Amino acid sequence: SAVISQKPSRDICQRGTSLTIQCQVDSQVTMMFWYRQQPGQSLTLIATANQGSEATYESGFVIDKFPISRPNLTFSTLTVSNMSPEDSSIYLCSGNNGGGYTFGSGTRLTVV
Amino acid sequence: TQLLEQSPQFLSIQEGENLTVYCNSSSVFSSLQWYRQEPGEGPVLLVTVVTGGEVKKLKRLTFQFGDARKDSSLHITAAQPGDTGLYLCAGRGQTGANNLFFGTGTRLTVIP
Repeated sequence: SAVISQKPSRDICQRGTSLTIQCQVDSQVTMMFWYRQQPGQSLTLIATANQGSEATYESGFVIDKFPISRPNLTFSTLTVSNMSPEDSSIYLCSGNNGGGYTFGSGTRLTVV
Repeated sequence: TQLLEQSPQFLSIQEGENLTVYCNSSSVFSSLQWYRQEPGEGPVLLVTVVTGGEVKKLKRLTFQFGDARKDSSLHITAAQPGDTGLYLCAGRGQTGANNLFFGTGTRLTVIP
């Protein structure tokens, strides 16, 4: 299965700033997704990253707050914009080729 | 959003005991997956069940998909400290859908 490298692994950011998280896959994957997870809790889907077109966002998530890029089949970024303490969470990317889903190791974001 | 409720939310048992984790929904899923996640890592896929009534075994872990494909269970026999982690079920929607909806999670601690 694919291996996903996600970075940064953690960051502490000032409110009002933005952070871009990157995910690099070691092979081409059809689909990529971005999730948010409070420590010890479940994952909530933010959006599906579509290659060459705008991402598809789930209810409660908007492009202005979480812009996503997916320039090719092995790479995607998620930006958390104009951050507030409520954005403190773990953010994970995932890739899928129609079968199993592989996850990055996550980015633990703390907004102060 | 298709909701998946897991029970129990927390479980602490002694090494050697058996346990069952439940995953229930009012929605029908084309397939259901179980993941285990350890701190600082992304979820790792354990199994995928597709057919209603299907039972799959992975060493000491037994997974069952409900006949109506709305629920699933994970049974662990003779739990070991290495089984400690966050267990997540995840449902895939209608055939052809690629996004996963995760359950609420079960945090298992196996005490040596």
